[in-house]
Amino acid sequence: GDSVTQMEGPVTLSEEAFLTINCTYTATGYPSLFWYVQYPGEGLQLLLKATKADDKGSNKGFEATYRKETTSFHLEKGSVQVSDSAVYFCALSDRGYGGSQGNLIFGKGTKLSVKP
Amino acid sequence: SAVISQKPSRDICQRGTSLTIQCQVDSQVTMMFWYRQQPGQSLTLIATANQGSEATYESGFVIDKFPISRPNLTFSTLTVSNMSPEDSSIYLCSVGASGSNLLGDTQYFGPGTRLTVL
Repeated sequence: GDSVTQMEGPVTLSEEAFLTINCTYTATGYPSLFWYVQYPGEGLQLLLKATKADDKGSNKGFEATYRKETTSFHLEKGSVQVSDSAVYFCALSDRGYGGSQGNLIFGKGTKLSVKP
Repeated sequence: SAVISQKPSRDICQRGTSLTIQCQVDSQVTMMFWYRQQPGQSLTLIATANQGSEATYESGFVIDKFPISRPNLTFSTLTVSNMSPEDSSIYLCSVGASGSNLLGDTQYFGPGTRLTVL
């Protein structure tokens, strides 16, 4: 079945450091790919998305490129801030043949802590 | 995107009791979903709430334990029945982007309900 694998956390960085959170996926169809963020004590917020190969999603300085050849969707940010401290979830929604009806499959999440 | 609210935001319940969680959306949406997030874990889909018909449950979840209602296109409830401490989780509802092809589309999440069962 479809699955998403994220790098294990927690990740601790200093402010203004470069961030990469790796995400790879397995899917039988043509998935859309998402990054969601969960700030402490809150629900999930959509951070960015990409719907086809080579698409780049971007928001709030975060970027991720849909790489079909490597089945990856790594999240990057050039300079993190303390306010970026949160849990980040990679997810896919398979719009292939039959199956998921649009529900999301999530990775396990990566906790990011940014120190001043 | 839709504005989604959930009630209650949190609750502490006794073993053996039941809790009904409400999810309200500010616009009509075709697809509504219920997820569970156990402590320190990722999200797991419980079921898809279908308007006018029975919910579609994922493997490992059954209607007797998690009955769902969907009386209209803006509202759904999830009941956690006969609770045990293992049911302590965050329960989140989500909606598919309205008026669009839902396969592979974006979902927007409510703030979640934090449930603790003693």
